[in-house]
Amino acid sequence: SQQGEEDPQALSIQEGENATMNCSYKTSINNLQWYRQNSGRGLVHLILIRSNEREKHSGRLRVTLDTSKKSSSLLITASRAADTASYFCATVVNNAGNMLTFGGGTRLMVKP
Amino acid sequence: GAGVSQSPSNKVTEKGKDVELRCDPISGHTALYWYRQSLGQGLEFLIYFQGNSAPDKSGLPSDRFSAERTGGSVSTLTIQRTQQEDSAVYLCASSLEGRVGIRETQYFGPGTRLLVL
Repeated sequence: SQQGEEDPQALSIQEGENATMNCSYKTSINNLQWYRQNSGRGLVHLILIRSNEREKHSGRLRVTLDTSKKSSSLLITASRAADTASYFCATVVNNAGNMLTFGGGTRLMVKP
Repeated sequence: GAGVSQSPSNKVTEKGKDVELRCDPISGHTALYWYRQSLGQGLEFLIYFQGNSAPDKSGLPSDRFSAERTGGSVSTLTIQRTQQEDSAVYLCASSLEGRVGIRETQYFGPGTRLLVL
């Protein structure tokens, strides 16, 4: 079963706007990661945040992690049409090996 | 350098037949993972190999599923007596290390789309 839930399931915005996606999870984690998927095929790793970190940046991406609320958010600033994809959060559960447990994903559409 | 590759890209089979899916990880990566993605179940972990350790098979849905990794490199996922509910995209990933906290980022292949008729 999936560890996390993502919110919203789908998001449609105009180019240049910011997109925020949220992820909640259930158990104690070592880290949380965000992945992007185009056209239902391979996943591309975007960013990893460890359980002792609260915020991380990579280019136009900003990820926050609140372990007390068991939640994370991914912010994409100044979105582009090329950002259109599905975005998944995935957790590595403590003491359970390095396998990923995925949320349900958010489908993001950025209109030009 | 070359990424993770998977073959075939697409596979159509009849219910009851066996299928083999192949994964070539990134050279030098010690850990290899199989996941599947289906409409009903989303993205699910299946099995993971780390170096010479016994694989973690905790995600395999039934004993019809098995995987091996020969020589610490190429892996084959075998599904015996396929059922229609096995239809999904099967994704392989590899990481430099498999221990949490150390170079553990997973890099995914393009997947094999399996359709069981």
